[in-house]
Amino acid sequence: GAVVSQHPSWVICKSGTSVKIECRSLDFQATTMFWYRQFPKQSLMLMATSNEGSKATYEQGVEKDKFLINHASLTLSTLTVTSAHPEDSSFYICSAWDRPSSGANVLTFGAGSRLTVL
Amino acid sequence: QQQVKQSPQSLIVQKGGISIINCAYENTAFDYFPWYQQFPGKGPALLIAIRPDVSEKKEGRFTISFNKSAKQFSLHIMDSQPGDSATYFCAASHSYKYIFGTGTRLKVLA
Repeated sequence: GAVVSQHPSWVICKSGTSVKIECRSLDFQATTMFWYRQFPKQSLMLMATSNEGSKATYEQGVEKDKFLINHASLTLSTLTVTSAHPEDSSFYICSAWDRPSSGANVLTFGAGSRLTVL
Repeated sequence: QQQVKQSPQSLIVQKGGISIINCAYENTAFDYFPWYQQFPGKGPALLIAIRPDVSEKKEGRFTISFNKSAKQFSLHIMDSQPGDSATYFCAASHSYKYIFGTGTRLKVLA
């Protein structure tokens, strides 16, 4: 099946620094990737839709200058949390569409990246 | 109208029992209903999914029941095992966008 790889799986940084999280589709091309944020014991909240070769589409309430998304190739999207603060600490998960031969759109998730901002 | 309501919030089941998780939606444009399983510290993994043209889909111990007129669907886990202990999310999709339920934390007692 499709595999989405996310790196790093966890990161600790100081307040005010920037952190980059990578999301790769390993065995398929993904023109569209999605970034989610998940707080402890809560559901997944869509932050933005990352489109290869164009600007990301952000959900309402998500600061585009705080969460920079770049989708430079068909297999790589990056999320940069700029000037991170403790309230940005969360579990960030990316996902991508895979369209297997069945024709059904399957959303495959990465393993997530745990960000802790001190 | 974009919400997906999921219940219960948490569920404790004895080993070998049946776990049942329910979801309800409002938007009739949704055309794909997946269930995801998430273990602590991991990303969600697709468990089983259904389209509204069928009323039931079974894969191993996992069954989705779908009631289009009531706009409800449910996940049944037969012969629940301790390894099934995880958080389960239902979702509803139209086009590319997924709306997730709030999640159900399942604990299966050995």
